[in-house]
Amino acid sequence: QVRLVESGGGLLKPGGSLRLSCAASGFTFSDYYMSWVRQAPGKGLEWISYISNDYTSIYYAASVRGRFTISRDNAQKSLFLHMNSLRVEDTAVYYCARRSGRYQDDGFDIWGQGTMVTVSS
Amino acid sequence: QSVLTQPPSVSAAPGQSVTISCSGSGSNIGGNYVSWYQQIPGTAPKIIIYDNDKRPSGIPDRFSGAKSGTSATLGIAGLQTGDEADYYCGTWDGGLSGSWVFGGGTKVTVL
Repeated sequence: QVRLVESGGGLLKPGGSLRLSCAASGFTFSDYYMSWVRQAPGKGLEWISYISNDYTSIYYAASVRGRFTISRDNAQKSLFLHMNSLRVEDTAVYYCARRSGRYQDDGFDIWGQGTMVTVSS
Repeated sequence: QSVLTQPPSVSAAPGQSVTISCSGSGSNIGGNYVSWYQQIPGTAPKIIIYDNDKRPSGIPDRFSGAKSGTSATLGIAGLQTGDEADYYCGTWDGGLSGSWVFGGGTKVTVL
């Protein structure tokens, strides 16, 4: 069964740091580009970042560039999001998503259940 | 303010049809495939249309997609109570440094 399971969310103060993880199973993780997408409470979807299957191509949304770092470990079938200098506006459910293909406009065909990150003083 | 513009809400009675528009520009919809996502409250999004008009396996043919120029459309025919959800369009935007963009979402209400 193809599955993505996020973990690592929590409550922290502005300026803090956190690392999210996403464990993949049921497919060849090293074949796929992976992304993080977030959703603030009551708001729409916001794409955060993606990383290519071979680690060579990485993109970030302007809202997190310089503060967040995406990484992956193909041997461990895991995706990570390192978040620094967290702000109140980073409060959201963070989803791990698999990009269906190698093209930039390929959609996200598998999503995890999400992990909640709350930034509050 | 989302890069892709969707109506906030649409509604119709069971059995009727609705369409949801998604308006963009040449750097996003105009030059790339569009996908659509259904999100039932409290759950993760699910892809229902990819490459403008293709349905993943398991998605009923009541759902359809189309693209023309810098706009895309999602159609839902034979509306069912289970279709009540938020729907998002998305695509790659090749402008500036490049990023994936979503529409602001459309709430579909079955009356």
